[in-house]
Amino acid sequence: SQTIHQWPATLVQPVGSPLSLECTVEGTSNPNLYWYRQAAGRGLQLLFYSVGIGQISSEVPQNLSASRPQDRQFILSSKKLLLSDSGFYLCAWSDGLATDTQYFGPGTRLTVL
Amino acid sequence: SQQGEEDPQALSIQEGENATMNCSYKTSINNLQWYRQNSGRGLVHLILIRSNEREKHSGRLRVTLDTSKKSSSLLITASRAADTASYFCATETGANNLFFGTGTRLTVIP
Repeated sequence: SQTIHQWPATLVQPVGSPLSLECTVEGTSNPNLYWYRQAAGRGLQLLFYSVGIGQISSEVPQNLSASRPQDRQFILSSKKLLLSDSGFYLCAWSDGLATDTQYFGPGTRLTVL
Repeated sequence: SQQGEEDPQALSIQEGENATMNCSYKTSINNLQWYRQNSGRGLVHLILIRSNEREKHSGRLRVTLDTSKKSSSLLITASRAADTASYFCATETGANNLFFGTGTRLTVIP
């Protein structure tokens, strides 16, 4: 069966520090991968999606970037965090074939101080 | 379960017509959200309506919420071919607790 992992679960970082959040998927090949930010009471915001290694599409301009160095690995990064980067970050995958159903990871709570 | 259910599962209309999709849920919510998903792409947030609101508008979108019936509707007016997508409702019951429905597949025929 497929599983999706995200780490760390929580992270507290100072303003201006770098960021690296990792997401990995097991049990599937060539998944579509997604990064979302969820603000309580404001819904999910799609940040990036990827249909293959090295293929990244950005949905909104921001202080963040994403990379997909391996088929089942998706990384969310920042060179210098801003206060406004605080939030709950979710990774998701879909098989991109017969169904667009997305499966979400457990999320990372990021607090920028 | 809390998962919402959209109705209909699939909807096909002519360009220019209005499209109405419905969502029902089972427990108390903080807010209800509608998302669009184009095939192969991520979910795009359309509109959020809070539990104390009854109606909300955003461009060609109109959302209603009836908490007594635990239901919501999404109306897309003057539909366009580009509106072709799957539409999902999601209910938020607490911080980061988001439950998605099964979606309505909308096809707008040019």
